[in-house]
This record gives sequence, structure tokens and C-alpha cells, in this order.
Amino acid sequence: NAGVMQNPRHLVRRRGQEARLRCSPMKGHSHVYWYRQLPEEGLKFMVYLQKENIIDESGMPKERFSAEFPKEGPSILRIQQVVRGDSAAYFCASSSRERGFETQYFGPGTRLLVL
Amino acid sequence: GENVEQHPSTLSVQEGDSAVIKCTYSDSASNYFPWYKQELGKGPQLIIDIRSNVGEKKDQRIAVTLNKTAKHFSLHITETQPEDSAVYFCAARGSGSARQLTFGSGTQLTVLP
Repeated sequence: NAGVMQNPRHLVRRRGQEARLRCSPMKGHSHVYWYRQLPEEGLKFMVYLQKENIIDESGMPKERFSAEFPKEGPSILRIQQVVRGDSAAYFCASSSRERGFETQYFGPGTRLLVL
Repeated sequence: GENVEQHPSTLSVQEGDSAVIKCTYSDSASNYFPWYKQELGKGPQLIIDIRSNVGEKKDQRIAVTLNKTAKHFSLHITETQPEDSAVYFCAARGSGSARQLTFGSGTQLTVLP
């Protein structure tokens, strides 16, 4: 059973460009979470999605950031008009609700560098 | 919202010794507390978790304890090995509809051979 997959693993963008980060959850998992990790810091929650629905986006910046999890295909985190402060590692986690409990499993992350 | 504090930020131990990392949380409604290990350049890997209906859980050399009254939980690693060197994160998740994890700031554990 393949784990959570993210691509690209590394992404370099110039200021003002768009960044698209993709996440494929573990097989059978229908919940996806995105977290951001700045250097030397812990992970900060951004958004929680289920198929075709954004459940909680309380951690998402109000502008330039958006996320989706379509019926078919991976979840996408999109950052428009990137700025240097967007440079970070972005991690996706997936979970399934088994016996009323959820365990989140993380992917390897996408390291975004904005020049 | 939930706030998780983690100590120490760095920890060095001799191979074979024990390591203890402590976390406190603010939301008394939190009911799930996982620990993750993150190696350089990789994603967090779940190593053990505990739910609020138990006080202790053990898996080989790793154990976690939970004190709900004091709102703190700890990770214990015994007989440490060099491959245990990594950054360890604690996290907490509230009850109800909030599903996201709130993470501590991490502990860099170095096991000296």
C-alpha cells in the first residue's frame, strides 16, 4: 500500500509566479490536510478537505492561497503570485475514519523556494 | 484555539541512555496526542499515539504518558541508538469537528555514539 505521495518534491519559483503542489492520499483515505513548515519550526495547519469539499480552511491565508480535492485526481494546493515569505516546506497528510478514530499519515513534502 | 508547548528544543544523550520529551496543551477538550519523528529532508513519521481514555502506551523502546489533569504528555525513548537522532514533534487534536493537529515546536534529539 503506497503511502501519501506529493509532487514535486522541490519547486523553485520567482516572485509573482504561481506554485501548484499536488498530493495523492493513501489508498482508501478520503480526508486530506495541508500543513506548512517554516525552517526550524513546527507544522502549522492550513486546510482540511474531503472529496469535493473544503471542510476547514481556518489556517489558510485569506489571499493568494487556495486548495481543492476533486472527485478524481490529487488534492492541489495553489499559491498565486508567490512572495519570498511563501518559501517553506508544505506537507500533505491523509487519514481515514476507522472505528471513530483518525490517524494522519504525512507525505514527504514539497519544498518551495521563492527567488 | 489549541496551543502546544514542547521542551526541550534540543536534547543530546549518550547511546544507550534514555530520552524524555515533554509537551503541554491548553485545550482540555483535546483527546488525541500523536508523536512524529522527522528526519532531515523527509516528512513526519508517526511513531506512537495516545488517546485521552488511557494514561500510558508502550511500543518496544518507545512509550508515551498522558496526564489529563495537568494537560501534559511525554515521550520516553529507552536504550537510545544513533538512528533515533531526528526532530521529534508532539501534537494534539481537539474533540468535535476540529480535525487538524496542533504541533509543538519540535525537539532535536542527538544520540551520541
